[in-house]
Amino acid sequence: NAGVTQTPKFQVLKTGQSMTLQCAQDMNHEYMSWYRQDPGMGLRLIHYSVGAGITDQGEVPNGYNVSRSTTEDFPLRLLSAAPSQTSVYFCASSYGWDTQYFGPGTRLTVL
Amino acid sequence: GDSVTQMEGPVTLSEEAFLTINCTYTATGYPSLFWYVQYPGEGLQLLLKATKADDKGSNKGFEATYRKETTSFHLEKGSVQVSDSAVYFCALQNSGYALNFGKGTSLLVTP
Repeated sequence: NAGVTQTPKFQVLKTGQSMTLQCAQDMNHEYMSWYRQDPGMGLRLIHYSVGAGITDQGEVPNGYNVSRSTTEDFPLRLLSAAPSQTSVYFCASSYGWDTQYFGPGTRLTVL
Repeated sequence: GDSVTQMEGPVTLSEEAFLTINCTYTATGYPSLFWYVQYPGEGLQLLLKATKADDKGSNKGFEATYRKETTSFHLEKGSVQVSDSAVYFCALQNSGYALNFGKGTSLLVTP
C-alpha cells in the first residue's frame, strides 16, 4: 500500500497562473479532503468529498476547485493563483469519519 | 465555534526528560480528540486518539487522557528520545467531518 500520495512535492507559480495538485489513495477510502497549513495556524480544511461525484466546502474554499470522478483520486485546482495561496497543502483520506491518513504534502509558492 | 488551544513552542528538552504538551478545547457536545505528529519534511501521522470522556489514548510511549471536566487532552511521555523531535498537533472532530487543529507545538530533543 502506498497510502496517500501527492504530486508535485514543490511548485512555484506566478500570480494568475493555474495548476492542479494531485492526490491519490489506494486504501479504498470513501472520504478524501484537502487541508492547507500556514505558519502558526495549524491546518484548515479547504474541500472534502464523501464519495465519487460528491464534494463539499470546508473552512477556506475560496480560490480552489475540486471534483471527484473516481474513489482513488481527488485533485485540487487553483484557477488563478494568488500570493495568499502560498502554503503547504495536505491531502487526507479516511474510511468514513474514522482516522484521517495524510499525504506528504505539496509546498506551493505563488510569486 | 469549536477551537483547540495548545501550548506555544518551541519546547526544547534533553533526552530522557519528561514531556507534557498542554491542549485544551472548546466544543459543544462530545468531540473526539486526537494528537497528530509531523516529522520534518513529512505529512501528519496519527499518534493517538480518544473518543469519549476518561478514555486514554496511547502509542509509542505517549499518552493522553480525555478530561471533559477540564476540557483537556494533554500529551505526555515519560522519557523522550531525539527521534521524538517533531511538531505535535492537537485536534478535535465534532459534529462534522473536518478536523479542527491547534497551531502545533514544535519539540526539539537534544542528546
